[in-house]
Amino acid sequence: DGGITQSPKYLFRKEGQNVTLSCEQNLNHDAMYWYRQDPGQGLRLIYYSQIVNDFQKGDIAEGYSVSREKKESFPLTVTSAQKNPTAFYLCASNIGTGWDEQFFGPGTRLTVL
Amino acid sequence: KNQVEQSPQSLIILEGKNCTLQCNYTVSPFSNLRWYKQDTGRGPVSLTIMTFSENTKSNGRYTATLDADTKQSSLHITASQLSDSASYICVVSAPGTGTYKYIFGTGTRLKVLA
Repeated sequence: DGGITQSPKYLFRKEGQNVTLSCEQNLNHDAMYWYRQDPGQGLRLIYYSQIVNDFQKGDIAEGYSVSREKKESFPLTVTSAQKNPTAFYLCASNIGTGWDEQFFGPGTRLTVL
Repeated sequence: KNQVEQSPQSLIILEGKNCTLQCNYTVSPFSNLRWYKQDTGRGPVSLTIMTFSENTKSNGRYTATLDADTKQSSLHITASQLSDSASYICVVSAPGTGTYKYIFGTGTRLKVLA
């Protein structure tokens, strides 16, 4: 999975709880991304960061928050405001030019109980 | 609207047979097109990448073609193996404001049977 780790692999959340998904990369990439994958849909961008201490909303940022305090780390928090959080979450990184490959982590499957 | 559409949604073939997956896109301007393979429960892994000036790119038994005029791409798998069972995702990269935007297709789920 190209030097990107995500944890945990499976996560269960009760309604009303916030949960944080971890994403770490050792590829020295500047850009990091969070995607959500649902059955029958393409990957949808939640947040992305091109540099430390800076990040931008993607197409479906509502109910999510991120931080980028270190180059290697880009955690995603799924808040209670996210009405339908059950999904497969993928973290990716690349150099950030748009030409280079996005390397993906193994994913975290979040289930709301 | 920038879109990437893939067909078929799913495909079942016998081991050893060939198959072709299709990708049509309406993304403009266009930077490059990449095919990814995603095993169930795993992250996608890149197979090929092509710019608008490239017509074909091979990676072992995988051959991708691109027709930038008709905005169509295909991924041809030769002599399929059981390990080819996966989802194949077409991704188009387009320049955006200050960064690049990646538009993902919904994927084709391939099942190879023994």
